[in-house]
Amino acid sequence: DGGITQSPKYLFRKEGQNVTLSCEQNLNHDAMYWYRQDPGQGLRLIYYSQIVNDFQKGDIAEGYSVSREKKESFPLTVTSAQKNPTAFYLCASSIPTSGGALVYNEQFFGPGTRLTVL
Amino acid sequence: GDSVTQMEGPVTLSEEAFLTINCTYTATGYPSLFWYVQYPGEGLQLLLKATKADDKGSNKGFEATYRKETTSFHLEKGSVQVSDSAVYFCALSDPGNTGKLIFGQGTTLQVKP
Repeated sequence: DGGITQSPKYLFRKEGQNVTLSCEQNLNHDAMYWYRQDPGQGLRLIYYSQIVNDFQKGDIAEGYSVSREKKESFPLTVTSAQKNPTAFYLCASSIPTSGGALVYNEQFFGPGTRLTVL
Repeated sequence: GDSVTQMEGPVTLSEEAFLTINCTYTATGYPSLFWYVQYPGEGLQLLLKATKADDKGSNKGFEATYRKETTSFHLEKGSVQVSDSAVYFCALSDPGNTGKLIFGQGTTLQVKP
């Protein structure tokens, strides 16, 4: 079945450590996104990538890094510079509609990774 | 900048009650509008969408109409079930065609039997 997978589901990190969250999709989507969700808040965009080997900062990129070496993979690294990394992290992908101007519609989300800093 | 505002929750209803969750937006251009649903511990699932003014999105008994004149996209359901208990997010697409979505803060719905 096509979809987005994220691993691990739960991740625990000690302060000062970098951790990498995995996101893989087999939907053949060009664009991929990383969001952070905190309790009682909406989703905030960390990074996004519209094409392989290219990515842009979102609204809260500080303390995070990404790579996009393959179309199907968009891993997120939470570095020790991120001051408050405990959160639920969601990965998503989308594909523009065909024909005419480039228009993106809905995003498809993975199941999320819950990161806790000990 | 572009933004989405949802009614504050939590919303608590009895089974078979009528549901409305308000959503208003501010945007330049003509964004697409979405409602997503999130069940506990899971990612978001697309519930419905509308891509232009006066479009009505519908799915699983939920409906929302894209109202350009009032910049609104309110979610409605005629008769809620316990299984509808979840967090609902209203979102709009970035009119700059980056594919980014701008989300409201989410509204928690609890349906009691």
